[in-house]
Amino acid sequence: SAVISQKPSRDICQRGTSLTIQCQVDSQVTMMFWYRQQPGQSLTLIATANQGSEATYESGFVIDKFPISRPNLTFSTLTVSNMSPEDSSIYLCSVRHGSLEQYFGPGTRLTVT
Amino acid sequence: SQQGEEDPQALSIQEGENATMNCSYKTSINNLQWYRQNSGRGLVHLILIRSNEREKHSGRLRVTLDTSKKSSSLLITASRAADTASYFCATSQGGSEKLVFGKGTKLTVNP
Repeated sequence: SAVISQKPSRDICQRGTSLTIQCQVDSQVTMMFWYRQQPGQSLTLIATANQGSEATYESGFVIDKFPISRPNLTFSTLTVSNMSPEDSSIYLCSVRHGSLEQYFGPGTRLTVT
Repeated sequence: SQQGEEDPQALSIQEGENATMNCSYKTSINNLQWYRQNSGRGLVHLILIRSNEREKHSGRLRVTLDTSKKSSSLLITASRAADTASYFCATSQGGSEKLVFGKGTKLTVNP
């Protein structure tokens, strides 16, 4: 399995500011995924990030709000822009490594006040 | 949109009992994966079952898949307090690697 780390693990941010979340994998992977988990809810895919190309966003998520970078095969960032309290969630990155299983990072717990 | 629907939404049992959680989905899948999440932390991968498989075991976990009924079940035998967590099923479809998650079952194992 892949070892995935995320930074920060948690943060409390002011309304209107932006936060960049980092995801680091211990091996090279083609695709990385970013998910959001709102309080008490399940996970929803935000976007898929391929190295060297634009991220592909799911319905309801836009690049201006959630810009993603994927500079190499082991790293990605997700920015939550112009935050509002509705953005308070856990943000998780995941990768598919080797076989079919997808592995997740520990998540970033974001609270917007 | 949510693909999987787990039931029950919440389950409370005594240590040593078995816990069964069910997942239903709507469209054809490539595979189905079960995850555990402790107290809002990251997801731990438990087991993957492919669409052409009917049953898989891993330690105290047993997963079944019935593609005709579009459903899967996760059985945890001889449960422990440490099994207390939320359990999610997630499916992948077609040529996509992205996962669609169910709503989850919150399991409480009482010592």
